[in-house]
Amino acid sequence: QKEVEQNSGPLSVPEGAIASLNCTYSDRGSQSFFWYRQYSGKSPELIMFIYSNGDKEDGRFTAQLNKASQYVSLLIRDSQPSDSATYLCAVTESQIRRFGAGTRLTVKP
Amino acid sequence: SAVISQKPSRDICQRGTSLTIQCQVDSQVTMMFWYRQQPGQSLTLIATANQGSEATYESGFVIDKFPISRPNLTFSTLTVSNMSPEDSSIYLCSVPNTEAFFGQGTRLTVV
Repeated sequence: QKEVEQNSGPLSVPEGAIASLNCTYSDRGSQSFFWYRQYSGKSPELIMFIYSNGDKEDGRFTAQLNKASQYVSLLIRDSQPSDSATYLCAVTESQIRRFGAGTRLTVKP
Repeated sequence: SAVISQKPSRDICQRGTSLTIQCQVDSQVTMMFWYRQQPGQSLTLIATANQGSEATYESGFVIDKFPISRPNLTFSTLTVSNMSPEDSSIYLCSVPNTEAFFGQGTRLTVV
């Protein structure tokens, strides 16, 4: 069974801090990696995607990928209360996207 | 990127009945996926729908319960058959496109 693992949280950080979200995956054939944000009652929305080892930055978000360790992370700098949501890690192999259970993040004012 | 339209957006259904969810994409796509998100859970892939062939179901999902149609390259339907309260979930169609992966989802409540 191909798995995507995340800590369910909840993860709580103060406003302005860095939130660090982690994800591991079991399928070494995975080709692309995604982070989604999901607010309660809404569909997931794509935040970041990363294909290559290393870091990818987009505004306050940085995705980090280490294929050797089968590990992908998301850093959120200067966290805001509006960042409070569930963050889903997703991994794609042969176009099929599989999701982790999600980490619930709370940013406290 | 593709725009995905899904309907209905929500429905409340009686147990034992069936609901068909429609998914329309504004461009031709080979593969479409159907996911389920049960309350408090992550997204689970139900099946992959390819035009012109039978859908491929994931472990734990069967065609009799979740029949899928894929009549052309822009449209698919998922039917939730003989519903029970355990089928209360959000159902999402998706296409393998980086930006617009999901439709807006169908929130189903079975009473």
